[in-house]
Parts: sequence; structure tokens; C-alpha cells
Amino acid sequence: DVKVTQSSRYLVKRTGEKVFLECVQDMDHENMFWYRQDPGLGLRLIYFSYDVKMKEKGDIPEGYSVSREKKERFSLILESASTNQTSMYLCASSFKENIQYFGAGTRLSVL
Amino acid sequence: DAKTTQPPSMDCAEGRAANLPCNHSTISGNEYVYWYRQIHSQGPQYIIHGLKNNETNEMASLIITEDRKSSTLILPHATLRDTAVYYCIVRATNTGNQFYFGTGTSLTVIP
Repeated sequence: DVKVTQSSRYLVKRTGEKVFLECVQDMDHENMFWYRQDPGLGLRLIYFSYDVKMKEKGDIPEGYSVSREKKERFSLILESASTNQTSMYLCASSFKENIQYFGAGTRLSVL
Repeated sequence: DAKTTQPPSMDCAEGRAANLPCNHSTISGNEYVYWYRQIHSQGPQYIIHGLKNNETNEMASLIITEDRKSSTLILPHATLRDTAVYYCIVRATNTGNQFYFGTGTSLTVIP
């Protein structure tokens, strides 16, 4: 089975803190994605990566950056967390253009 | 990607078949129909996908009409653990990588 692992299920941070969300996949997938999910807004794509050291902006990249130094790991970085970044964050991976497999999600609260 | 329309909620008795409909009247010839589900506070889980033929796997069956303008996801013997939000997504595999999740159908399996 494909496994996408997100480092934390729940995270509480303070405004202005730098936050790292880590995601690891074990299926040698080229593509990895970060989404956020908010009530009434569905899933929105923040960033994605189709290869090591490559990244592309999604629909809502402002306030976020990403890092992909190894194929299996894709990190989402909040440089200076704000309260409007309180959300559920979901990581996914896929092989080429095919099915995306999601992690369990990280529920981030910024106080 | 083509827009999809799903009923906001449905109930199903435990042990019965759950039939979840999806309309996608503007679907293009190269677009697949994907189904995901999301159990509360977890990441979306891939269920099944198809292009024009009916598909079956260990989780569900997917019935696509001949004109491809609608489809039905069938859970043959619903259990309480099938209570979730079910998303129907139409997407071409050569587009810009992301899945657009709408609001889905909230399925409640009743004991």
C-alpha cells in the first residue's frame, strides 16, 4: 500500500513563528502536493513539486514556501505564521499524472 | 476540468447498497471520473476511477453512463465505517496535476 506520512496530526503555534510541516512518501512518486482544507472552501492547492528541487505554485501560495531536497520528502514552510493560516493541511503524492494519495493531515492552529 | 454535481447528503441502511450519483454533463473525451472519500478529520482516500467502462475493485463499483454525462458509485454492502464525504472528480490525466474537490456528498450509514 502507498503510504504518505505527515509528521504531526495536530500542531499549535504562535503568530510570527516559523512552522515546518513535513511529508514523506514511500512509493518513489515523482509528484508531491500540499493542500489546505477549510470549511466551505474545499481543498485548495498551495504548492506542488514534480521532481527533486522543483516546485510550482498552486492557487494560494502566498505566505508559504516549500522544499524538496529528496524525492521522498516534501516540506511546507510558513515563514511567519498568521491566524488566517489556521487550517487542515494535506500532503499528497502521485506517480506522473495519475492517482493522488493523501496523508492523514495536520490540523494547525495559529494563536 | 469539468464541473460535477452531487447531492449534498444521503442516508443508507447498514448492509444495504449505497448508490451515490454524480452528474458531469460537460465532461470531455479525455477526462476520467475519480471518486475519493474523506472520513472525518482524515485525508481523502482514493476509491476508484474510470474513463468509459464500468469498473470494480475491492472497495466499490463505478457505473458510467454510455454518454458519460453521469456516473454512480456503488458501495455494495455499506457499513458504519463507510460514513464519510464522497467526492466525484472529473479530470484529464494530462492537466496541471491537481484534483479539484467540490463539496461532495455526505453519506451517513444508519445502523
